[in-house]
Amino acid sequence: QVQLVESGGGVVQPGSSLRLSCAASGFTFSSYALHWVRQAPGKGLEWVAVISDDGSNKYYADSVKGRFTVSRDNSKNTLSLQMNSLRAEDTAVFYCARVPCTGVTCPTRFDHWGQGALVSVSS
Amino acid sequence: SYVLTQPPSVSVAPGQTARITCGGNNIGSKSVHWYQQKPGQAPVVVVHDDTDRPSGIPERFSGSNSGNTATLTIGRVEAGDEADFYCQVWDSSSAHYVFGTGTKVTVL
Repeated sequence: QVQLVESGGGVVQPGSSLRLSCAASGFTFSSYALHWVRQAPGKGLEWVAVISDDGSNKYYADSVKGRFTVSRDNSKNTLSLQMNSLRAEDTAVFYCARVPCTGVTCPTRFDHWGQGALVSVSS
Repeated sequence: SYVLTQPPSVSVAPGQTARITCGGNNIGSKSVHWYQQKPGQAPVVVVHDDTDRPSGIPERFSGSNSGNTATLTIGRVEAGDEADFYCQVWDSSSAHYVFGTGTKVTVL
């Protein structure tokens, strides 16, 4: 079965960096676009970033553009999110999610989600 | 940027029907997806592409989309349906994926 497992969350100070990973299994990793979606404590879902199946195309939410970088290693079935210049408002649970699509502009649903990784930015 | 507006809360008695709306400019021209999220859990898609149900989702969950409003309908509501629900679309003008503001469904 499809599994997505996030790791790398933790407590960091404002201005610092953190790298999240998402280990995938149960499907052909290189055939799917992947996303990061976050949820601040007690708040709604916010889309963060998407990367195409081959890693050649990426889009970001305006709130993270220029600070976050999404990448993937298809040889290791791993998705990553490098987060720099972290702010208090980045505090959230970060989910990796799969879409049944290869590209970054598919009007489709997130069909599988990980369990989430908590990132807390606080001084 | 494209905005999706949902009512913050909907309350419904067991066995009755719950309707959750998702308002957006000409949303009827977009594919709308609905997610259920229970406390401490990841979201799960319950309706996709306006009206389709993934395997394993009860027929009690149905969707519609027209004009400026999409609707998720939950028939014969059960206590286990209590959760937060989100609508979602892809906005071609911004190339962004957009979630609605979320609706908490309470079963009385």
